Amino acid sequence: QSVLTQPPSVSGAPGQRVTISCTGSDSNIGAAYDVHWYQQLPGAAPKVLIYASVNRPSGVPDRFSGSKSGTSASLAITGLQAEDEADYYCQSYDSRLNGLVFGTGTKVTVL
Amino acid sequence: QLQLQESGPGLVKPSETLSLACNVSDASIKSDNYFWGWIRQPPGKGLEWVGSIFHTGTTQYNPSLRSRATISIDTSQKRFSLKMTTVSAADTAVYYCAGFSRSGGGSHWGQGIMVTVSS
Repeated sequence: QSVLTQPPSVSGAPGQRVTISCTGSDSNIGAAYDVHWYQQLPGAAPKVLIYASVNRPSGVPDRFSGSKSGTSASLAITGLQAEDEADYYCQSYDSRLNGLVFGTGTKVTVL
Repeated sequence: QLQLQESGPGLVKPSETLSLACNVSDASIKSDNYFWGWIRQPPGKGLEWVGSIFHTGTTQYNPSLRSRATISIDTSQKRFSLKMTTVSAADTAVYYCAGFSRSGGGSHWGQGIMVTVSS
């Protein structure tokens, strides 16, 4: 059972902006642990999109951005493109579980 | 760039032990700046953390798997391993190994290995 909750799916037309929420609690996101975001294309390993809540690895387009507030975090995709169709996961650390926790995952569909 | 590669059998019989290894490309495995983990993904489902290990050998496990999972590390071989006992069909998944930065620098993942539990 995932500790971090995400919407099962979000969709948007090409060029639009979509956001994915990641809701946690005071033992993970609310405890100031970093949030990381991954993009997973079909049949591929997760790829780091955002690390430490707001940072993009080199090579990740600036259309992707992360934010965090309280016990939640968000991933925003602006200028949505067909290649952004994928599953997205958030991840943090939980002090009650003493380990990593992942979000439930969100499927992004480009209409 | 840090690279990781999983290896092990792709088919394990029910009630037997699953054994996987992860080879790390460089001396980062000895660094205080990283910890190492196993994550699995059943077909069509989300990501599940199995457990983590530090270069010192200190481990952390998902409470739901603690009784069956053991993670070990051999820094001289640049490798860490996962053993999971008494497997069942519910353990069928793609297993990923990954290295996580402790200084907020993100993570590096292997390509994953599909493990099927079946007789």
